[in-house]
Amino acid sequence: NAGVTQTPKFQVLKTGQSMTLQCAQDMNHNSMYWYRQDPGMGLRLIYYSASEGTTDKGEVPNGYNVSRLNKREFSLRLESAAPSQTSVYFCAMTSGGGTDTQYFGPGTRLTVL
Amino acid sequence: QKEVEQNSGPLSVPEGAIASLNCTYSDRGSQSFFWYRQYSGKSPELIMFIYSNGDKEDGRFTAQLNKASQYVSLLIRDSQPSDSATYLCAVKEWKGGSEKLVFGKGTKLTVNP
Repeated sequence: NAGVTQTPKFQVLKTGQSMTLQCAQDMNHNSMYWYRQDPGMGLRLIYYSASEGTTDKGEVPNGYNVSRLNKREFSLRLESAAPSQTSVYFCAMTSGGGTDTQYFGPGTRLTVL
Repeated sequence: QKEVEQNSGPLSVPEGAIASLNCTYSDRGSQSFFWYRQYSGKSPELIMFIYSNGDKEDGRFTAQLNKASQYVSLLIRDSQPSDSATYLCAVKEWKGGSEKLVFGKGTKLTVNP
């Protein structure tokens, strides 16, 4: 997955619990992204970060917070999980070199009961 | 939010046939277009990107772009069962100095042996 790691791979939460999804890249790129993917809904952008210390809301940010403390890591936090947040979460980064293509991590499958 | 539309399918073709996947986008100013392939339970992987009007070929894959019609397509020649996957079209969007991709919901392709 082109140098993008995500932890955990699977997680089951109860409604109201909190957790942080971790994402790290080893390619020293600036831009990182968090998506969720639900059946029939495609990939929807939750938050993104153009550089260390900056974050911006995407299409579906409600219920999530993010943190980009350094260039390598971009975490996604659910403060009070809800069943509607059951989804597969993908972290991605944008490569450089003029193509600016996005490469995805392996994903985290989250179930909220 | 710019829109990217794809036929959800499923699209079914026999082995050896040409599979044609289509995508339209709403932002006439878009410049960069991407096709991703996603196998079931896996993360999206980049197949091709295209920036200029016309055709771009890479092995059995050809991307076609028509900016006047706001249309981008992916042709898969000599389709193989291993091509069975969901294909995602994505369009780059610039906003506030940051770039992000807007994805279509994907077209599920099945190649029958």
